[in-house]
Amino acid sequence: GAVVSQHPSRVICKSGTSVKIECRSLDFQATTMFWYRQFPKQSLMLMATSNEGSKATYEQGVEKDKFLINHASLTLSTLTVTSAHPEDSSFYICSAPKRRADTQYFGPGTRLTVL
Amino acid sequence: GESVGLHLPTLSVQEGDNSIINCAYSNSASDYFIWYKQESGKGPQFIIDIRSNMDKRQGQRVTVLLNKTVKHLSLQIAATQPGDSAVYFCAEGILTGNQFYFGTGTSLTVIP
Repeated sequence: GAVVSQHPSRVICKSGTSVKIECRSLDFQATTMFWYRQFPKQSLMLMATSNEGSKATYEQGVEKDKFLINHASLTLSTLTVTSAHPEDSSFYICSAPKRRADTQYFGPGTRLTVL
Repeated sequence: GESVGLHLPTLSVQEGDNSIINCAYSNSASDYFIWYKQESGKGPQFIIDIRSNMDKRQGQRVTVLLNKTVKHLSLQIAATQPGDSAVYFCAEGILTGNQFYFGTGTSLTVIP
């Protein structure tokens, strides 16, 4: 299977700071990556689709100015949580298909805690 | 996003028994369905998928059944083992769009 990594795996920050999370496809190129958020004991909620070379598309209700997404290359997408607040504390997971119309391969997730 | 729900939030089975996890989906246009397993603190792990032109697909110890008429999906795990204990999610989507929406999740506990 394909490998997707995330960095950092855990981050704790103060309220008001910004946090950047990286998602990398290690053995394939991904023109599209996806960002999910998962609260404890809940399902994954799709936040946005990261598109290499163009703007990300956000799901309804997700603030694009709050969650900045940059798909810098065919193997890297970043999610920046700006001016983080405690309610942003969550498990953030990225995924990418190896090919178009292929199944998703998920990263290990990033646990964000905002104090 | 689309609404994908599960009938049972928790399921406990004896080791060696078969497990059945159910999922209902709402978007009749969805043509691709995936089951994922998620262990605590980890990302989802692909188990098995099925396309809408099929009604059954088998893997190693797992079988996915798709009933498009009633928009229902199930995951059957044969001879359930303690290592199968996890939360299981179904996801639906349109394959060419690559976007998938997840169901609520079922927590499976295998009793040794």
